[in-house]
Amino acid sequence: KAGVTQTPRYLIKTRGQQVTLSCSPISGHRSVSWYQQTPGQGLQFLFEYFSETQRNKGNFPGRFSGRQFSNSRSEMNVSTLELGDSALYLCASTLGDTLAKNIQYFGAGTRLSVL
Amino acid sequence: AQKVTQAQTEISVVEKEDVTLDCVYETRDTTYYLFWYKQPPSGELVFLIRRNSFDEQNEISGRYSWNFQKSTSSFNFTITASQVVDSAVYFCALKRGGETSGSRLTFGEGTQLTVNP
Repeated sequence: KAGVTQTPRYLIKTRGQQVTLSCSPISGHRSVSWYQQTPGQGLQFLFEYFSETQRNKGNFPGRFSGRQFSNSRSEMNVSTLELGDSALYLCASTLGDTLAKNIQYFGAGTRLSVL
Repeated sequence: AQKVTQAQTEISVVEKEDVTLDCVYETRDTTYYLFWYKQPPSGELVFLIRRNSFDEQNEISGRYSWNFQKSTSSFNFTITASQVVDSAVYFCALKRGGETSGSRLTFGEGTQLTVNP
């Protein structure tokens, strides 16, 4: 079974641009979560989508948004990029919420550099 | 509010030494889950173990063992006879319990483990 796939792996953008990152979860997983990892702030939760609905949201500005499609694939978008948005963006998928299903499996991430 | 603290920022050991990574958590929930993940230089977070708040049994998996103590709110991770391949950043994480709480993880700051040959 394929793992969580994130594309692209690397991105370079300039301030003010916008960017879209993609995540394909493990087959059968319905929940997709996004995290931002920076040296200063560590791993921070962005948002979670479950059955195409945003279920949880972290403390990030409205420039960060996401969506989930009917096949559970998810995208996140960052508009009006700032230098501080440079980070590793990690996507994770989960089969469900019960004890047997709530392990999050992560992709390799998209490394975004904003110049 | 939930919080996870990994006080050890970096640990350096020589191969075959035992090493313990500390994790202390804070939560007001009675039901919660604790996780350990490994992040090698490639960046992907690799799941190692999950523990729920009702199960305080220690666990051993090969050279890895975990000690969960609710009385001290700690979930420590020990690697026995460390190997160079164990070099990575290790994260402890906390998740709220309940089937409607979602998948959000609260991570600690991570511990960079370097195992020297």
